[in-house]
Amino acid sequence: GENVEQHPSTLSVQEGDSAVIKCTYSDSASNYFPWYKQELGKRPQLIIDIRSNVGEKKDQRIAVTLNKTAKHFSLHITETQPEDSAVYFCAASNYGQNFVFGPGTRLSVLP
Amino acid sequence: DVKVTQSSRYLVKRTGEKVFLECVQDMDHENMFWYRQDPGLGLRLIYFSYDVKMKEKGDIPEGYSVSREKKERFSLILESASTNQTSMYLCASSWPGPTDTQYFGPGTRLTVL
Repeated sequence: GENVEQHPSTLSVQEGDSAVIKCTYSDSASNYFPWYKQELGKRPQLIIDIRSNVGEKKDQRIAVTLNKTAKHFSLHITETQPEDSAVYFCAASNYGQNFVFGPGTRLSVLP
Repeated sequence: DVKVTQSSRYLVKRTGEKVFLECVQDMDHENMFWYRQDPGLGLRLIYFSYDVKMKEKGDIPEGYSVSREKKERFSLILESASTNQTSMYLCASSWPGPTDTQYFGPGTRLTVL
């Protein structure tokens, strides 16, 4: 079955700097890769996603890149702000029916 | 607005008790999921359902069962709670499309003493 690894497990950046979180997956049939943000005490919420027919997607300060050959995808956050502090989860899915999540990255944005 | 609710935010039970966790969604979603979330392990799928009365095992179904009698409601059952089932439990739902987003409930933090 699918296995998703995520690195780093914790990440601290200065406010205004960029943050990059990387995930790798094992199942070449996976074709949908969402990213979720979970703030302390709250539910995970989708922040951006990418499908396998696209190499990059951007939404304001957030971007995701996908390398299907290498089976990895990354979340990029630019101009980080304190409110970006949260746990971020990547996931891989084959036709959206069964998501496999990475273990999460705790991002801390230091003022 | 998408809404997924769970019956309890916090629950404390004793070893051996039968525990019911309920999830309700009001979006007419076909798919519903139960995950448990543990530090360093991310979200692990326990069971999921694609339709009423239908269920499929996820990655860690042992010690759990589920029930989906109505489309909007998906229940997770711990037949005999054990201390290693102390965790955060998250319910999610989605449309059946190939790349449809999962919407999560607020979670239930279960402690088994």
